[in-house]
Amino acid sequence: AQKITQTQPGMFVQEKEAVTLDCTYDTSDPSYGLFWYKQPSSGEMIFLIYQGSYDQQNATEGRYSLNFQKARKSANLVISASQLGDSAMYFCAITNAGNMLTFGGGTRLMVKP
Amino acid sequence: GAGVSQSPSNKVTEKGKDVELRCDPISGHTALYWYRQSLGQGLEFLIYFQGNSAPDKSGLPSDRFSAERTGGSVSTLTIQRTQQEDSAVYLCASSLVQGVDMNTEAFFGQGTRLTVV
Repeated sequence: AQKITQTQPGMFVQEKEAVTLDCTYDTSDPSYGLFWYKQPSSGEMIFLIYQGSYDQQNATEGRYSLNFQKARKSANLVISASQLGDSAMYFCAITNAGNMLTFGGGTRLMVKP
Repeated sequence: GAGVSQSPSNKVTEKGKDVELRCDPISGHTALYWYRQSLGQGLEFLIYFQGNSAPDKSGLPSDRFSAERTGGSVSTLTIQRTQQEDSAVYLCASSLVQGVDMNTEAFFGQGTRLTVV
């Protein structure tokens, strides 16, 4: 079984500042993938970033980076230079060799002008 | 089609009626997932398919829920004798089956908003 825990139900960040959204995971599989998705108020699910369990370097995609600490089983999302459009729900997810995709409970991010 | 298509986009049904929700995944995607999301909540896993088989049905909330996938493509989620607590957005996603060390991004449909009155 695999599990994702997101301990921050809601967070505020000032526009233009960086913010870190926490994600810890639990899995018994030696190989797995970690994902972050954004869900704005419109409801669509937008893929942000991926990290493979064997990747040596932290994944980056534009203003998004993933702080991957394998020994601690954490995969925190860092958003740099926050924008008002970043206000949304953010979900961390994990997949394994069986392609089972499990999501955490999400974090609601609110960017203040 | 270019993306995951779900129909209907909205469904209002009377308590006790059966409903069918349809998901048309991206062509060639062998993995297909169903999730349920109540307002402001996270994604509750329901079921997923590898091809036509469902390795994990543990998320189905009750025996009123069933799902099938035929031809490795379209999937139907059926809810029998609907209850008010079934009201939610039902999301479908699909992905390519690749090595887990490759980005197997799941692509989501727009969801079906089910309201049981």
